[in-house]
Amino acid sequence: NAGVTQTPKFQVLKTGQSMTLQCAQDMNHNSMYWYRQDPGMGLRLIYYSASEGTTDKGEVPNGYNVSRLNKREFSLRLESAAPSQTSVYFCASSEALSGRGETQYFGPGTRLLVL
Amino acid sequence: GQQLNQSPQSMFIQEGEDVSMNCTSSSIFNTWLWYKQDPGEGPVLLIALYKAGELTSNGRLTAQFGITRKDSFLNISASIPSDVGIYFCAGRFQGAQKLVFGQGTRLTINP
Repeated sequence: NAGVTQTPKFQVLKTGQSMTLQCAQDMNHNSMYWYRQDPGMGLRLIYYSASEGTTDKGEVPNGYNVSRLNKREFSLRLESAAPSQTSVYFCASSEALSGRGETQYFGPGTRLLVL
Repeated sequence: GQQLNQSPQSMFIQEGEDVSMNCTSSSIFNTWLWYKQDPGEGPVLLIALYKAGELTSNGRLTAQFGITRKDSFLNISASIPSDVGIYFCAGRFQGAQKLVFGQGTRLTINP
C-alpha cells in the first residue's frame, strides 16, 4: 500500500519555465490537497479538490493551476515559475473534506528550486 | 483568516526529558490533529481528537482536546533521539470546511 506518492522528488527550474507536479493516492480517498511549506510558515494550502470533478482555491493559489484527473490523481501546474515559488510542495488526501474522515495523509514532498 | 497559534516555535531539550507543546485559537474547533514531520519527509498523523476533553495516548505521546474547544496540547514523555522533527497541530474550526495547520514546533534533542 503506497499511500500518497509524488513525482518528481526534486526539481530545478529557471524563471519562466513551466512544470507539473504529479500526485496519486491509492486509498480511494475523495478529497485531495496541495500545500507548500516554507521555513517558519508551516503548511499553506494552495488548492484542494473535495471530490472528483471539483477544485477550489486555498490560501495561496496565485501562480498555480490544478487538475483532478480522476479520483486517484491530482496535479499541480506552475505555468511560469518564479523564484518566490521555491518551496517544498506536499500533496495530501483524505476520505472527506470534514467530519471523521477528514484526517489527511501526506506524500513525501517535492522540493522545487526556481533560479 | 482564522489563525492557529502553536507554541513554542522551537525546543532544545536533553534526551529523557518530557516535552509539552500546544495550540490555541480564538475560535471553537470541532477537530484537533497532531502530526510529526521527520526531516525530508511528509507529515505523519500521530493523534486525532474529536471531542472536547478527549485525552488520547499513542505510546509515549499524549494529546488532549481542550474543554473550551479552543486549544489542544501534545506531551511527549521520556524523549528519545528519534522524536526529533517538526510537530504540527491542525484543526477544523466550527462551521469551516477545511483543516488549518499551525506553524509547527521544531524539536531538537541533545543526546
